[in-house]
Amino acid sequence: GNSVTQMEGPVTLSEEAFLTINCTYTATGYPSLFWYVQYPGEGLQLLLKATKADDKGSNKGFEATYRKETTSFHLEKGSVQVSDSAVYFCALSDSRSSASKIIFGSGTRLSIRP
Amino acid sequence: DVKVTQSSRYLVKRTGEKVFLECVQDMDHENMFWYRQDPGLGLRLIYFSYDVKMKEKGDIPEGYSVSREKKERFSLILESASTNQTSMYLCASSFLGPSNTGELFFGEGSRLTVL
Repeated sequence: GNSVTQMEGPVTLSEEAFLTINCTYTATGYPSLFWYVQYPGEGLQLLLKATKADDKGSNKGFEATYRKETTSFHLEKGSVQVSDSAVYFCALSDSRSSASKIIFGSGTRLSIRP
Repeated sequence: DVKVTQSSRYLVKRTGEKVFLECVQDMDHENMFWYRQDPGLGLRLIYFSYDVKMKEKGDIPEGYSVSREKKERFSLILESASTNQTSMYLCASSFLGPSNTGELFFGEGSRLTVL
């Protein structure tokens, strides 16, 4: 079945460091791919998405490219800030389902030191 | 902006109690979902609904039931709460249709503690 695997956390970086959070997926067909972010005490919110191969999603300085050949969707940011501290979830849509079920990875907790 | 509202942010219940978690969305979304979130396990789908009075089991439906009597409201019911149901519960909604890429809109979550 479809699944998402993302790097385990926690990840701790200093402010202005370069960030990569790895995400790989297994899916039949052509799913859409997402990164969601959960700030402390809040629900999840969509950070970025890509709907087809080679698409690049971007938002708030974060980027991820849909790589079909490596089945990956790694999240990157060139210079992180303390306010980026949150839990990040990689996800894919199960397009076979009438309700477009979303399958989530286990989440990666990111902490940024001032 | 889409708003998904969950009725309670924090609940404390006793083992064996019946628990209702309510969720309301204001964007006329067809799809609604209940997830639970546990450390190290990510989000796991409990139930979802793609129409009024329709429901489908997710990955972990045991011990839960749902109700969708109106399009905007989706309730999660724990008939007899147990300690292993202590968790964060997240409600979400989305559009149905060819323009839907599957993006979910989440509520802020309900943290349930069962003693």
